[in-house]
Parts: sequence; C-alpha cells; structure tokens
Amino acid sequence: DQQVKQNSPSLSVQEGRISILNCDYTNSMFDYFLWYKKYPAEGPTFLISISSIKDKNEDGRFTVFLNKSAKHLSLHIVPSQPGDSAVYFCAARDNFGNEKLTFGTGTRLTIIP
Amino acid sequence: NAGVMQNPRHLVRRRGQEARLRCSPMKGHSHVYWYRQLPEEGLKFMVYLQKENIIDESGMPKERFSAEFPKEGPSILRIQQVVRGDSAAYFCASSPTYQETQYFGPGTRLLVL
Repeated sequence: DQQVKQNSPSLSVQEGRISILNCDYTNSMFDYFLWYKKYPAEGPTFLISISSIKDKNEDGRFTVFLNKSAKHLSLHIVPSQPGDSAVYFCAARDNFGNEKLTFGTGTRLTIIP
Repeated sequence: NAGVMQNPRHLVRRRGQEARLRCSPMKGHSHVYWYRQLPEEGLKFMVYLQKENIIDESGMPKERFSAEFPKEGPSILRIQQVVRGDSAAYFCASSPTYQETQYFGPGTRLLVL
C-alpha cells in the first residue's frame, strides 16, 4: 500500500523556467512533510519541509505548497538551474509520535540548458 | 561539522555470508534511522534507535536483520546469511532529537552474489 505517491517518474524543464513536482498522500494522519533531493550514488539531501498547520513554506528558490483537503503537496523550483537535475523524493511523518518517514518513489527532474 | 558517515560505501557478499553496515551520526545527534532502497523504489524505513535502545523496528524483516546503537561507537546494521534479495542501498539518517529533520548519509550499496 503506497501511502505517498509521486505519479510522475520523470520531468524535463527548460533552464530558467519553473519546475513543479507533485506528491499525493492517502494517510490523513500525516502532519509533517519533507522534500529531499538525491544525486546518483549519494544520500538524500534535505530541501524543505512543511507542517500541516501551514499551507506554504518558502526557502530561496524552493516553495512547498500543501493542500490538506486534497491530500496533495507540490514543490516549486524557480528559476530552475542545471544543478537541480536530480531525483526528488517527497516524504511524510504521522502525528502519532512516530519518527519514521514514509517516502514516495521519486521524480527524476532534468533541467535542459 | 561532518555529516552522517557510513561505511563501507560498497559491500559485496556471497549468499550465506554476513554483512555489517556502520553509521556514525552527525555530531550532537543521538537519534539514528536506517532505511533501505531497492532498485527503482523509494526509501523504506527499517529501524529507529537511540543510544543503547531500539525505539521502533517495525520495518525490520523478522529474521536475519538486527541493529544496534551502542553507548560508544557507530550504529551497526547486521544482516546474517545474506540472500540476493538483500541487494540494495542502505541509508542511515540522524537527528538531534525528536520531531527534527533527518539528515542522511551517503549510503552503503550492498551486492549479494
């Protein structure tokens, strides 16, 4: 049962344009969400997070939006740069005090120069 | 401040051998998490430990897998009598305390021949 879904395995975006990566979840007990970026042969790198009490969080070029009613979140990267080419994972944590993260399957983002 | 360290980065074992994966958390972090990533999949939670305690092992296979985080030294994930299906990337993450962002190491890629 995939509780966190990233339905787009890949995405290509022109350099300088906006990249939008999407994530859906099914578990209504999730209350904290994170985005990680991963290069080949490296570990995931934390990008940005959002608590369920907010609907938006910004950090530089990265903005995460959360729509709780739709159980949907998205990561916006603007402007996109070649170094943003990587696999992006959405992850979620529930509000039962569990520390474990539930990950999506990832979206491979390619920035075209 | 050094990040999460994992060694070895690559490990090759024959079926039936034992694999030991080590993780040193970031300085000041006392919470350690292990995740496994199978090819073309997202990361799956295995176990959450604090010093000398296993807090949540709900993601650990019931047999052959064990984990520890002793008072001194790194956390160890041990896989006994490895099988080909154990071939995966194993990632360790750490955090300073509860409900904090988890920071990942570079991973150990285990190949079982």
